[in-house]
Amino acid sequence: DAGVIQSPRHEVTEMGQEVTLRCKPISGHDYLFWYRQTMMRGLELLIYFNNNVPIDDSGMPEDRFSAKMPNASFSTLKIQPSEPRDSAVYFCASSPRQGAYSNQPQHFGDGTRLSIL
Amino acid sequence: SQQGEEDPQALSIQEGENATMNCSYKTSINNLQWYRQNSGRGLVHLILIRSNEREKHSGRLRVTLDTSKKSSSLLITASRAADTASYFCATDVLQGGGAQKLVFGQGTRLTINP
Repeated sequence: DAGVIQSPRHEVTEMGQEVTLRCKPISGHDYLFWYRQTMMRGLELLIYFNNNVPIDDSGMPEDRFSAKMPNASFSTLKIQPSEPRDSAVYFCASSPRQGAYSNQPQHFGDGTRLSIL
Repeated sequence: SQQGEEDPQALSIQEGENATMNCSYKTSINNLQWYRQNSGRGLVHLILIRSNEREKHSGRLRVTLDTSKKSSSLLITASRAADTASYFCATDVLQGGGAQKLVFGQGTRLTINP
C-alpha cells in the first residue's frame, strides 16, 4: 500500500507569496493531521480532520494559515501571505478510525521542507 | 511546554550497546506511543503502550510505562548503525467527543557509532 504522499518535497519562495502544500492520506483512513516541525518548537499539531471535517484548528498560528479537505483523498495547507518565520518542515499524517482511547498509530508522509526567503 | 519531554536530548553509543531513552509527561494519558524519525523523513510508529500496561516488547525494543511517575522509557538492545535516528514519545490528549490528538516531545537524537 502507498503511504501518505505529500507534495512538493521542497518549496523555496519569496516572502509574501502564497504557498500551497498538498497531502494524500492512506486510503480508508478517517483522520488527517497537519504538523509543523522546527528546531526551536519541535513538532506542533496545526489542525486535524475527521471524515473531512476540521475538528481542532487551535494550533493554526495565524489567519494566514488555512487548511481544507475537500474529499477523503486530498487535503491542502495554504499560507497566504508567507513570511520567513513560516520556514519549517510540514508533515501530513493519517490514521484509521480512532477507538474510544486513540489506540491507532499515525502514519506520516515525508514532509514538505518550506523555505521562505 | 510540551506534554512529553525526552531525556537525554542526544545520545551517542557504540554499535552493539544498548540505548535507553526516557520520556516524562504531565497529565493523565490513555496511551503513550514511540516514534522514530530518520533524517529527512517522516515519523514512523514503533510501539504503543496503554496506560494499564507496564511493559511491552517488539523485537529489540522494550518500552516501560510508570503512570505513577508519569514516565516511560524506550530501550533498544544490541544497537545497529541503522538505529541512528531521532526518537519521540507522544501522548494522547483527551478532547470532548472522544476524539484525541497526540502531543509529541522534543525527541532524543540517537547516534550509533560503528
